Amino acid sequence: DGGITQSPKYLFRKEGQNVTLSCEQNLNHDAMYWYRQDPGQGLRLIYYSQIVNDFQKGDIAEGYSVSREKKESFPLTVTSAQKNPTAFYLCASSPLPSYEQYFGPGTRLTVT
Amino acid sequence: AQSVAQPEDQVNVAEGNPLTVKCTYSVSGNPYLFWYVQYPNRGLQFLLKYITGDNLVKGSYGFEAEFNKSQTSFHLKKPSALVSDSALYFCAVSRLNRDDKIIFGKGTRLHILP
Repeated sequence: DGGITQSPKYLFRKEGQNVTLSCEQNLNHDAMYWYRQDPGQGLRLIYYSQIVNDFQKGDIAEGYSVSREKKESFPLTVTSAQKNPTAFYLCASSPLPSYEQYFGPGTRLTVT
Repeated sequence: AQSVAQPEDQVNVAEGNPLTVKCTYSVSGNPYLFWYVQYPNRGLQFLLKYITGDNLVKGSYGFEAEFNKSQTSFHLKKPSALVSDSALYFCAVSRLNRDDKIIFGKGTRLHILP
């Protein structure tokens, strides 16, 4: 079964704790992306990576960090510096940056 | 730089009627255009894309989109709406054969009224 998996589906954390969201793909795609979506809103790009061991900041990178040590994995860490981390987080991948993106099911993070 | 606009935050359509969700774009060079759908608490699902060729593109679930180069538009259409079509729809654009990533519109919420 090919696709993108994100885990967990729901995540709860206390304020001040770092938390890492998982994203794995078996589509052999070079490019991977993290988006944040707030209720009823569009997508905002956090980070993206076009190749292993390289990544770029998106529009709202502050308070987030990523790594791309393997082609199939692109974990996102939400740090305690992120002032309003409660949101729906979506991971995506594409063969090339300009091609259609394939999305995972998302992780809903709630920080209290 | 490319951009995409979805001028309507929400569209209401009666079940059985035709629906249109509007999208306009701005890009230098040849556009690569996409439509996605998102159901509540789910990831985005790819519906269709335009690269080149026929201006009318057919996609999943009976949806189609019409590319209009002169009006720089790529409106999503369906001849007869279903209640199950109610969802959030995103238009997106990139530049063909470039390294630029896709840019998404803000989304249009489609309500199909029974």
